Amino acid sequence: ETGVTQSPTHLIKTRGQQVTLRCSSQSGHNTVSWYQQALGQGPQFIFQYYREEENGRGNFPPRFSGLQFPNYSSELNVNALELDDSALYLCASSFEGHGYTFGSGTRLTVV
Amino acid sequence: SQQGEEDPQALSIQEGENATMNCSYKTSINNLQWYRQNSGRGLVHLILIRSNEREKHSGRLRVTLDTSKKSSSLLITASRAADTASYFCATDAKGSARQLTFGSGTQLTVLP
Repeated sequence: ETGVTQSPTHLIKTRGQQVTLRCSSQSGHNTVSWYQQALGQGPQFIFQYYREEENGRGNFPPRFSGLQFPNYSSELNVNALELDDSALYLCASSFEGHGYTFGSGTRLTVV
Repeated sequence: SQQGEEDPQALSIQEGENATMNCSYKTSINNLQWYRQNSGRGLVHLILIRSNEREKHSGRLRVTLDTSKKSSSLLITASRAADTASYFCATDAKGSARQLTFGSGTQLTVLP
């Protein structure tokens, strides 16, 4: 039990569809980051939110978007899903960017 | 893109032996962290070493950092079958707003 909860744990979507992944952070954690991990690879940084504002973004197209809410939860939205979007999506939260705690991830399969 | 590269990509040892994994990175960093991942699950933070530190210990873990060579090593002593997992280094680069850049990982298998 890490204190960071992600839902759902597994998801299958069809190419072209849209998906929303959710993350519930530890109370007081004002920073949340999302990572994409393809099979056999290390996680890749998607973006980071600090106090509900995006303050960093990796090399991902605009169809990847996010939100952070005042109750320390956040969302990752992906539009127009492609087969290459199949991956494990990880959420990590921290207070002021110190000491990230990762969730167990959502395994997304696009068919 | 991956900043760090772990070496080796895969390592298989017998229980009780020591396991050493290496990580190289490219930019100036605030700190370097090591994480463990079991079978595609979430990442577990193992240890953090700051850029002004050269060595750090935590239980059976020993981490070294050489900022002049932009490299780090993770040593796991007296390995156990339960240590079987993927190990990743991640750098918190200067000016990066605390985002982590991960390497490609080392798959460690400890045989009983």
